[in-house]
Amino acid sequence: DTEVTQTPKHLVMGMTNKKSLKCEQHMGHRAMYWYKQKAKKPPELMFVYSYEKLSINESVPSRFSPECPNSSLLNLHLHALQPEDSALYLCASSQGLVTSYEQYFGPGTRLTVT
Amino acid sequence: TQLLEQSPQFLSIQEGENLTVYCNSSSVFSSLQWYRQEPGEGPVLLVTVVTGGEVKKLKRLTFQFGDARKDSSLHITAAQPGDTGLYLCAGGILSRGSTLGRLYFGRGTQLTVWP
Repeated sequence: DTEVTQTPKHLVMGMTNKKSLKCEQHMGHRAMYWYKQKAKKPPELMFVYSYEKLSINESVPSRFSPECPNSSLLNLHLHALQPEDSALYLCASSQGLVTSYEQYFGPGTRLTVT
Repeated sequence: TQLLEQSPQFLSIQEGENLTVYCNSSSVFSSLQWYRQEPGEGPVLLVTVVTGGEVKKLKRLTFQFGDARKDSSLHITAAQPGDTGLYLCAGGILSRGSTLGRLYFGRGTQLTVWP
């Protein structure tokens, strides 16, 4: 089973709202990722967690706050977003950062900021 | 800086035609992955190649990794409308001074196959 699940599928939020995106995998993977993808563009890396610790932050604005409560779960907390933050947010996981680079993606959350 | 140059960016062909998508870099990659993505969905992993010169076949899709592990190609034989989608190549590379790996994506090839 190579499934990564993400909720919600769609999210519309105002610029003053606080919301969270959730990601879950049960493949025993120890690395998890958040990506942002604009239409017709490749995914852009935002954050990487390895063994539940933040390993990479690609200079993402503080209005995005990641959290890894355990090895199966990854959250992205959103606060005071801007309309330009509207995008498809993808979660991915892999066995690890060194042993395998195969990343398995979830279906994404389509975020619209109004 | 775009580590992986993917071409062509757009490809529109008739059902039954063959096509090749290229992914090139001046960097050496530990592995290279190909994904296919449909609108509003996450990328789906098609194949991973890790050995220079490696060729992998997946039904009508043939993937090749260059001998020097700097380039890769995806060839589709007798394309079908169901092949329509965004094809992404992504290379795994070790960061300098660290064993931390990350994936670098090409810009993608939007393939449309008309019936």
